[in-house]
Amino acid sequence: GQQVMQIPQYQHVQEGEDFTTYCNSSTTLSNIQWYKQRPGGHPVFLIQLVKSGEVKKQKRLTFQFGEAKKNSSLHITATQTTDVGTYFCAGRDNQGGKLIFGQGTELSVKP
Amino acid sequence: NAGVTQTPKFQVLKTGQSMTLQCAQDMNHEYMSWYRQDPGMGLRLIHYSVGAGITDQGEVPNGYNVSRSTTEDFPLRLLSAAPSQTSVYFCASSFRGDTQYFGPGTRLTVL
Repeated sequence: GQQVMQIPQYQHVQEGEDFTTYCNSSTTLSNIQWYKQRPGGHPVFLIQLVKSGEVKKQKRLTFQFGEAKKNSSLHITATQTTDVGTYFCAGRDNQGGKLIFGQGTELSVKP
Repeated sequence: NAGVTQTPKFQVLKTGQSMTLQCAQDMNHEYMSWYRQDPGMGLRLIHYSVGAGITDQGEVPNGYNVSRSTTEDFPLRLLSAAPSQTSVYFCASSFRGDTQYFGPGTRLTVL
């Protein structure tokens, strides 16, 4: 079945450093979504990418969707302590089926 | 708008007991899903529904039942609780499978 792999599992950075998490699917995706979960909270939607090669920005966050629509990345420039949390990607296959989440990347930021 | 609500917030069960986790949404969303979150495993889809009267299995459906008699409610039933079902359970709803709105979660411990 469809699998979505996300790396790394953990990332510890100094405040001001950049951070990237990568997401890879075993099948071609119709779209990919990104979520953020603060410690003790629930996942909150960040963005959805639909088009091959799409790049979207939200302030210091840059999201990319691969040309083959099988991979994606989230890059945070100059991390802040407010960026702490777990970032999940979630992919939906081309048959419009289930939304499958990656394992998540837990980001910690040292002030 | 209350969004997605879940009850209870915490629950402790003994092995073999049954219970129902409640989920309700007031956004008139067609899609509703149940996920479980375990350390290092991300969010795994248990069951989902694309409308009242329609349900389907996700990645890890064994030991769980669902029904969708109304648009608003999507309860998750544990038939005979096992320690392996100790987890945090999230319910989510969406309009046609796009942005997932998550509830606050239910933390379940099975002894």
